[in-house]
Amino acid sequence: QQPVQSPQAVILREGEDAVINCSSSKALYSVHWYRQKHGEAPVFLMILLKGGEQKGHDKISASFNEKKQQSSLYLTASQLSYSGTYFCAVAGGTSYGKLTFGQGTILTVHP
Amino acid sequence: EAGVAQSPRYKIIEKRQSVAFWCNPISGHATLYWYQQILGQGPKLLIQFQNNGVVDDSQLPKDRFSAERLKGVDSTLKIQPAKLEDSAVYLCASSFGPKLLPYEQYFGPGTRLTVT
Repeated sequence: QQPVQSPQAVILREGEDAVINCSSSKALYSVHWYRQKHGEAPVFLMILLKGGEQKGHDKISASFNEKKQQSSLYLTASQLSYSGTYFCAVAGGTSYGKLTFGQGTILTVHP
Repeated sequence: EAGVAQSPRYKIIEKRQSVAFWCNPISGHATLYWYQQILGQGPKLLIQFQNNGVVDDSQLPKDRFSAERLKGVDSTLKIQPAKLEDSAVYLCASSFGPKLLPYEQYFGPGTRLTVT
């Protein structure tokens, strides 16, 4: 079953922060986040494993709440280069790495 | 390090014709995936290979789609005959890991298929 992302779209000015949420109705083993720019392939951002860990690099971080089957992606001090569509993708424990992608959140950063 | 290669990048065909897409994964990556991405949606997994064996093809429309990965490296995805609803971007991805481990997937540039 496809995870649900919210919001569907967000518009920011440079320097503002944003949070993108991803919820699943199934028990999760891992959550993956990807960013896709228009006409390009999805680019891997990070993986989170069950256990509630938080990961991040630069000004993008994410958390994973295994009990709530939710993950959130945090973008702080956004830059123009952050614009794109963000996808969460989830894998269950016995899915052999099979990912089910959400519908995407369109992020637009203006100067 | 070279990324995932795909060809062709664009293809326009008429319905009921056949088409084939080719993918060369990152060297050393055991797992290869084919996804279908319809405009405005997230990628949907069609088939997953581990070396040259199929791990998951539960969402592959087997009456018209087929895929193979000979020698555990390159892969080909074929559609025969194509329908209008097959218009989409077909993405190939590869990852290093064995099954059950959450390795990141690296995507190729995709093939944009238009069926008229």
